[in-house]
This record gives sequence, C-alpha cells and structure tokens, in this order.
Amino acid sequence: GAGVSQTPSNKVTEKGKYVELRCDPISGHTALYWYRQSLGQGPEFLIYFQGTGAADDSGLPNDRFFAVRPEGSVSTLKIQRTERGDSAVYLCASSSIGLAGDNEQFFGPGTRLTVL
Amino acid sequence: DQQVKQNSPSLSVQEGRISILNCDYTNSMFDYFLWYKKYPAEGPTFLISISSIKDKNEDGRFTVFLNKSAKHLSLHIVPSQPGDSAVYFCAAQRGETSGSRLTFGEGTQLTVNP
Repeated sequence: GAGVSQTPSNKVTEKGKYVELRCDPISGHTALYWYRQSLGQGPEFLIYFQGTGAADDSGLPNDRFFAVRPEGSVSTLKIQRTERGDSAVYLCASSSIGLAGDNEQFFGPGTRLTVL
Repeated sequence: DQQVKQNSPSLSVQEGRISILNCDYTNSMFDYFLWYKKYPAEGPTFLISISSIKDKNEDGRFTVFLNKSAKHLSLHIVPSQPGDSAVYFCAAQRGETSGSRLTFGEGTQLTVNP
C-alpha cells in the first residue's frame, strides 16, 4: 500500500494486560513517529525513530511504554501492565529525511486501544 | 502546559462563505507551523504549512497567516465547501527539517452547511 498502515485497527484489553501495536511506514521513509490522541485532544508526541534508533523518546509517559524498530521499517509500540488511562487512539506517522520544507508527516489511521 | 491552543472547539459556516480557524502558541522556539485535517476513523492529513520567515502562504482555497509578534496563526478557507467538514488541527514544530516532533492544538470541528 502507498500509505502508513497500522494494526490492529481496534484493540480491547483488560487492565494489567500487555499489548503490542504495529506500524508499517511508507516505504523508504526513515523517520517514524508515534503519537497518542485522547478524546477531545490533539495528538500528543510519544517517540521518534530515525532509522533503527530512537532519536527522541521524551514523550513516553512512563516505563510501561516501549517502542522498537529493529530493521528501520516496521515499528512496534509495546505497553505493559495496561491501565484504563492508556485508552486512546495511537497514531503512527512517517516522513522522509529532512530537507528544508520537506517535513510533512504522513499519518496512519490509528489503533483505538480500549482498556477495560 | 498547552503550548499550542485552539480556543474554538467548533465552527459552523454556510457553503460558499469564508471559514477562519485560529491558533495561538506560547513557545517562541517554534518556527514552522502546519495545519492538518482529520476525518473520523482516519489519520490526520497534511493541509498547508508556513515557515516563521513568512507571514502568509496560499494554496488554492486555503491560506495560512502567521503573526509572529502575537504568536498567532489562522487558516482561511474560501469558499468553504461541505467536503471541508472535518476536525482541523494546528501544529507547531522546531526546525523545518523532519525529525522534529509536532505539537498539536486541541482541534476545531468545522461544519460547512449546504
């Protein structure tokens, strides 16, 4: 596909469980971002990858959240011991290497996580 | 600390009229600003952007104005069409190159009535 894809589209889990959310960026995009959008709010930055490494993880709320991108393409956001407050839409975005003005981030449709 | 604010949660306009969406920011380190549009069950899609060295950028029916001294930007849509009905997010970035996080406002729900 041409765009960013995310799986699953919906995930319902119970408090305390572990979840993994997957993101497939646009082919060739080296930059990958995770954001979280709570109801009535704008997307909030979580983490940014450049290639395989996390260049900025300052948005991760606590150590229950972790993300990987082992081959520089697909990324997985992992949440341990989920809490009800983790319920949100998790958005992934990708972009190409930055040139001046070339910094559009392309977003996937998101994964709606519901923690019961 | 909300660094990017959109004070109007909703806006309703008639088809053919102008829509004006507003955004304020507090961080003077932001130097690149973007507007994204979001339909239900889809991710945000890029609409238009402006660098801090400019005060206006136009793309078809969409124009973004930036007032750096007031730390304010606005998006003008003219003429508005029913298909423009969506949530509009203002976002700010430090640096024009990619690799910088976006800081979003809360969004404004625009409804264009036929």
